[in-house]
Amino acid sequence: EVQLLESGGGLVQPGGSLRLSCAASGFTFSNSPMSWVRQASGKGLEWVSAIRGGGGTFYTDSVKGRFTISRDNSRNTLYLQLNSLRAEDTAVYFCVRGPDQPFDYWGQGTLVTVSS
Amino acid sequence: ETVLTQSPATLSLSPGERATLSCRASQSVDIYLAWYQQKPGQAPRLLIYDASNRATGIPARFSGSGSGTDFTLTISSLEPEDFAIYYCQQRKLWPPITFGQGTRLEIK
Repeated sequence: EVQLLESGGGLVQPGGSLRLSCAASGFTFSNSPMSWVRQASGKGLEWVSAIRGGGGTFYTDSVKGRFTISRDNSRNTLYLQLNSLRAEDTAVYFCVRGPDQPFDYWGQGTLVTVSS
Repeated sequence: ETVLTQSPATLSLSPGERATLSCRASQSVDIYLAWYQQKPGQAPRLLIYDASNRATGIPARFSGSGSGTDFTLTISSLEPEDFAIYYCQQRKLWPPITFGQGTRLEIK
């Protein structure tokens, strides 16, 4: 059974930092491109960042220079380091397999709230 | 950036009726268009990939069509569990990966 289990969300002040983790199981993680997709409350889906199995990384413009995606293939774990957080980064962050193939596996998400 | 525009924003239908949802891309995405279903409090679920292929475990009442810039998701006969929000997404031209704004399918 495929599982993607996110952790690390929480309440942080503007300008602060968080590190999200996603533990993967049930598929070959090391070969799989992985993404983070976020969703603000009541809003649509927004792709944030992706990383290929070999380590190539990609970001949406609004997070470039602030967020860093990484992976540890030995631990089957995906990460997202969030720095210089803004109110508009408040969202549920989903760990997802893709996007070189369709987003077929999704975690349940972890909530990041940026507020003073 | 490839903009995806979904229509209508809200679709009100009754169980047993046919639903037709549209997604239009601002430039050609070939067949690299997927559809997702999302229910409240849940993660999205992949329904259709590469425009017309049903994902594993998706009922046959869901079908997708189109290529280039115009795509359609059809639900042939609505079941109560089909009322949800539907998103299209392209992976032809990225970054960024883009999603449509969603169509809310509600019970009439």
